[in-house]
Amino acid sequence: QVRLQESGPGLVKPSETLSLNCSVSGGSISRSGYYWGWIRQPPGKGLEWIGIMSYSGSTYYNPSLKSRVTISVDTSKNLVSLKLSSVTAADTAVYYCARHADGSGNYQDYWGQGTLVTVSS
Amino acid sequence: SYELTQPPSVSVSPGQTASITCSGDKLGNKYASWYQHQPGQSPVLVIYQDIKRPSGIPERFSGSNSGNTATLTISGTQAMDEADYYCQAWDSSTVVFGGGTKLTVL
Repeated sequence: QVRLQESGPGLVKPSETLSLNCSVSGGSISRSGYYWGWIRQPPGKGLEWIGIMSYSGSTYYNPSLKSRVTISVDTSKNLVSLKLSSVTAADTAVYYCARHADGSGNYQDYWGQGTLVTVSS
Repeated sequence: SYELTQPPSVSVSPGQTASITCSGDKLGNKYASWYQHQPGQSPVLVIYQDIKRPSGIPERFSGSNSGNTATLTISGTQAMDEADYYCQAWDSSTVVFGGGTKLTVL
């Protein structure tokens, strides 16, 4: 059973960089056929996809966030990371880490429990 | 950019069939997935590749996808099925979510 656990600061100041980690257990992120990525949900709104990365380094980002987002993977630690720069209050959301199945519509079959990040001074 | 459109809300009586639609240009040519999202919990995949159910998802959940519309059908709807439901597709190297549909069981 694959498990994902997000971690990181719950409060970030405007204009700073949001940094989150996702620890994966129960399976290797180096397994082919999967991407690892991030999805968020602002309060009272729907799901918004942020981006994904494969263990080999292929990345895809939401065009609306691309200029501010960096996703990376550390295969030695089975860790997926997210950095979102120049944050504003609009980036306040619950952030989820999720495994995406490649080549099949990239559906997300495993999700973390989510972590709330608030952007405020 | 590609858009998926869902009705904001759907109501159903317990034991009846609920249908939630998801519309997008030539959506039938892509794979559609569906997620159940209950308050305070993580989204759960209930349908993938249009019609497939992950292990552990009840048989009352089914999906279809043709033309411009994908549909999630819940037969014999139960109170526990009350949740937000999101459709999702992959287009131009991006994951796209619909706006979500709040299913009320009353």
